[in-house]
Amino acid sequence: KAGVTQTPRYLIKTRGQQVTLSCSPISGHRSVSWYQQTPGQGLQFLFEYFSETQRNKGNFPGRFSGRQFSNSRSEMNVSTLELGDSALYLCASSRPGLAGGGNEQFFGPGTRLTVL
Amino acid sequence: AQSVSQHNHHVILSEAASLELGCNYSYGGTVNLFWYVQYPGQHLQLLLKYFSGDPLVKGIKGFEAEFIKSKFSFNLRKPSVQWSDTAEYFCAVSAGSSASKIIFGSGTRLSIRP
Repeated sequence: KAGVTQTPRYLIKTRGQQVTLSCSPISGHRSVSWYQQTPGQGLQFLFEYFSETQRNKGNFPGRFSGRQFSNSRSEMNVSTLELGDSALYLCASSRPGLAGGGNEQFFGPGTRLTVL
Repeated sequence: AQSVSQHNHHVILSEAASLELGCNYSYGGTVNLFWYVQYPGQHLQLLLKYFSGDPLVKGIKGFEAEFIKSKFSFNLRKPSVQWSDTAEYFCAVSAGSSASKIIFGSGTRLSIRP
């Protein structure tokens, strides 16, 4: 079974631009979560999508948004990029489950975003 | 809001030494607990998880963790480490109705001297 894939793997942008990152979950997984990983802040939860609906959201500004398509693929968008947005953005997918379940999340390799 | 604390930022051990990495969480309700590992240049992968039942959980590669509810702790242990265990280890928690929202600790970098 193929793992979680993320594209692109590396991205360089300048301040003020916007960026879209893509994530394809493992086949059969309907939940997709996004995380930001930085040396200073560690791994921080951005949001989670399930059946095309945002089910959970972290504490990030509105410049960070996402969506999920009917095939469970997900995209996240960051508008008006700031230097502090430079990070590794990780996507994770999990099997469909109840809201109270603790399904294991499978992580992709990440997209390394550098903002100049 | 739940949070996770990992007390050790960087641990250096010799091969065959025993390992214990501390993890404490704050949340008053039912929790799901995880340890993830990130080997150099590789994806985050799950070492072990606790959802319910036996509080002593065994994971891959000889790792285990014990959930102590009264101490809000979920420490990771391994009796004898190997050089290949060099990695960053993350404790994580999800809770209640937001079980799909996982909160990670800051991570512990483990370096093993051959």
